[in-house]
Amino acid sequence: DQQVKQNSPSLSVQEGRISILNCDYTNSMFDYFLWYKKYPAEGPTFLISISSIKDKNEDGRFTVFLNKSAKHLSLHIVPSQPGDSAVYFCAASEVGGSQGNLIFGKGTKLSVKP
Amino acid sequence: DTGVSQDPRHKITKRGQNVTFRCDPISEHNRLYWYRQTLGQGPEFLTYFQNEAQLEKSRLLSDRFSAERPKGSFSTLEIQRTEQGDSAMYLCASTRGTEETQYFGPGTRLLVL
Repeated sequence: DQQVKQNSPSLSVQEGRISILNCDYTNSMFDYFLWYKKYPAEGPTFLISISSIKDKNEDGRFTVFLNKSAKHLSLHIVPSQPGDSAVYFCAASEVGGSQGNLIFGKGTKLSVKP
Repeated sequence: DTGVSQDPRHKITKRGQNVTFRCDPISEHNRLYWYRQTLGQGPEFLTYFQNEAQLEKSRLLSDRFSAERPKGSFSTLEIQRTEQGDSAMYLCASTRGTEETQYFGPGTRLLVL
């Protein structure tokens, strides 16, 4: 029973264009969401997060959108760069619930072509 | 501010052997997590420490697994009688106080032959 789903295993985008990575969740108790980027043989690197009291958070080229009614969030990268090529993980946590462990999706592999 | 460090980065062992991994969190981070990641999956929660107290364990953490954080600083994860199914990347993450963002180390990749 996957509580966080990333239904696209891979995405290919041209350099300079927008990359949109999607994530769905099923647990309505989740109230904090994060995106991590991971290169092979390295640990996940934190990118951006959003609390459920917001619907948008922006940091440079990265913007996360949250649609609570649809239990959906997305990560927009504009403009995409070849160095953005990596696996992106969506994660969620229940702030007031358990001990704060993160629930991850299976990841989406982004390839940005020059 | 140094990041989370893990040692070793790679470990190859034979089935039935014991292995131990170490994690040094970011200084002053009182919360420490262990996760396991297998191919094609996202990281899965194993266990959580707040200071030196182990407060939560996943059902993934069988009785062959044990974790400690003796002085509330570094942590160790031991796997006894390793099995081939234990082959995975073992990740450590830390955070502080009520902060929700966790910062991950580089991981230890375990291969059980």
